[in-house]
Amino acid sequence: DSGVTQTPKHLITATGQRVTLRCSPRSGDLSVYWYQQSLDQGLQFLIQYYNGEERAKGNILERFSAQQFPDLHSELNLSSLELGDSALYFCASSVSGTWGYEQYFGPGTRLTVT
Amino acid sequence: ELKVEQNPLFLSMQEGKNYTIYCNYSTTSDRLYWYRQDPGKSLESLFVLLSNGAVKQEGRLMASLDTKARLSTLHITAAVHDLSATYFCAVDSTDSNYQLIWGAGTKLIIKP
Repeated sequence: DSGVTQTPKHLITATGQRVTLRCSPRSGDLSVYWYQQSLDQGLQFLIQYYNGEERAKGNILERFSAQQFPDLHSELNLSSLELGDSALYFCASSVSGTWGYEQYFGPGTRLTVT
Repeated sequence: ELKVEQNPLFLSMQEGKNYTIYCNYSTTSDRLYWYRQDPGKSLESLFVLLSNGAVKQEGRLMASLDTKARLSTLHITAAVHDLSATYFCAVDSTDSNYQLIWGAGTKLIIKP
């Protein structure tokens, strides 16, 4: 158990819908990362927050957005869902937002868009 | 563009054998990370290598880093079935604004 929690574990929804994924980092970690993992694309970095502020963006679609709240939990919002958005979404946290610190991954949310 | 390449991408081997997974990266970095992922599960941190020549070992796994060659290796000694998983390496650097750039992963199957 990494100490990072994610809810829900599974989510099934229809195309065009909007969903929210939630992540609570390990106690003491200030940085949260979101990743998407699909069979054909591998592990893709989406976005990072550090202490409530956006730190870096990766391959995040405009239909996706995220935020980190004062209690440091984070939410990833996915809207106008498409079949291709079906994937495992991981949240990770680290104590710092800079280099040299390993990231601890949550159990993931499996999103299925039908 | 910073790239991280792993090879092989797929490896099937017998228990008791030794093998090495290679991770090459395209930019200057002193920091390399190895993770393990079981099917349908999350990623688990295995090793963090933070300097040239760093070597770390845990059980039958040993990881090393050669920053001059921009190469890390993950060596498996006397493989056992429980080591079957996908192994990822990742690198961060100033070129990536300290974001982890991930290899594609090596799917390792160890047959009894």
